[in-house]
Amino acid sequence: EIVLTQSPGTLSLSPGERATLSCRASQSVSSSYLAWYQQKPGQAPRLLIYGASSRATGIPDRFSGSGSGTDFTLTISRLEPEDFAVYYCQQYGSSLTFGQGTKLEIK
Amino acid sequence: QVQLVQSGAEVKKPGASVKVSCKASGYTFTGYYMHWVRQAPGQGLEWMGRINPNSGGTNYAQKFQGRVTMTRDTSISTAYMELSRLRSDDTAVYYCARDLGPVVVAATFWFDPWGQGTLVTVSS
Repeated sequence: EIVLTQSPGTLSLSPGERATLSCRASQSVSSSYLAWYQQKPGQAPRLLIYGASSRATGIPDRFSGSGSGTDFTLTISRLEPEDFAVYYCQQYGSSLTFGQGTKLEIK
Repeated sequence: QVQLVQSGAEVKKPGASVKVSCKASGYTFTGYYMHWVRQAPGQGLEWMGRINPNSGGTNYAQKFQGRVTMTRDTSISTAYMELSRLRSDDTAVYYCARDLGPVVVAATFWFDPWGQGTLVTVSS
């Protein structure tokens, strides 16, 4: 099973700042099989990025994904108040797993 | 618009079974795989398996093999997830989530959209 480790566990930033979230895999993951989700308290997750870098429908272009192999990144170019949430990466290779999440909180 | 509406919260005793429903609207139900994902309180996400609503074919995560059954009723565009022999650590919010890609192409294993979630509490 591929283990996804997200860092940092918590990221404290202010609106307008740039956020960089990391997802590291225990073994190589095809870029085609890496996604990012956003989850707000009491809500279901929402798909942000799939195929490592493709934005889902309706996702603002301040969200971008990159990476390959074992290292992937979600970048939020300029934080809006509604972006403070928990973010999960997910992979589908030989099995399907999620990272443990990064909480993005207001500083 | 595409929408998934799940059944309400459940409280079950250890050893019992629970069946959660997920009613789809706004798209062709048989055209997309449906997945089930759970989230224990304050924890991360865990994929349980998927069903092809067209054929009824299923794939389950190894952890849940033998305890989970996913079915569907195409006449009412509804998918079901039944989990048996419940334990306290099965207490979680259970989500259905549609696959991003159509069945006729291939499952993408990207989940969009999601249902609102169903809290299942297992307690004696």
